[in-house]
Amino acid sequence: AQSVTQLDSQVPVFEEAPVELRCNYSSSVSVYLFWYVQYPNQGLQLLLKYLSGSTLVKGINGFEAEFNKSQTSFHLRKPSVHISDTAEYFCAVSDTDSWGKLQFGAGTQVVVTP
Amino acid sequence: NAGVTQTPKFQVLKTGQSMTLQCAQDMNHEYMSWYRQDPGMGLRLIHYSVGAGITDQGEVPNGYNVSRLNKREFSLRLESAAPSQTSVYFCASRNTRDGYTFGSGTRLTVV
Repeated sequence: AQSVTQLDSQVPVFEEAPVELRCNYSSSVSVYLFWYVQYPNQGLQLLLKYLSGSTLVKGINGFEAEFNKSQTSFHLRKPSVHISDTAEYFCAVSDTDSWGKLQFGAGTQVVVTP
Repeated sequence: NAGVTQTPKFQVLKTGQSMTLQCAQDMNHEYMSWYRQDPGMGLRLIHYSVGAGITDQGEVPNGYNVSRLNKREFSLRLESAAPSQTSVYFCASRNTRDGYTFGSGTRLTVV
């Protein structure tokens, strides 16, 4: 079984400033890693995913994440945020051999202010 | 492209009532799941299905039953609703190597 820890429940950030959302996971087997974004009163939208290969993953809306196997982390970054990036962000993990089960972190609320 | 469609979007139930949440996907995905979302807890897996007629329990299955009669549809049934089942429910589907595609959710209140 795996678990996911998102280290910050809320991250306030000014517009055009960089942001980093931290995610750590624990698993005894190989994993796939995901970041999702949820805008108010909407479903979840996939931002990016790591399945294999390059540890630096680029996603939509200028986001990127780096998989660090030794530190079991998958932090999400954006160099310059917009007001429209205000949303909740979820890190998720699944074992490579149990695709049916996606384990989510508790979420990080990002609030972007002018 | 509709993606994943959930009905209803909102529902209020009295304790002890039953209801079925419907989910349908038009992407020909094999895998489908039901999650519930509660504040500060992220999304928790209720049940999932790897194909028509094949279902399994997730992290929080108690009080819920599911049915996958065909590839396209995956329903979630509450036989006797309890206030603890007040939540937002999401259906999701995926293909072999992509992340899940989520529906827009059903907001359920049990009074």
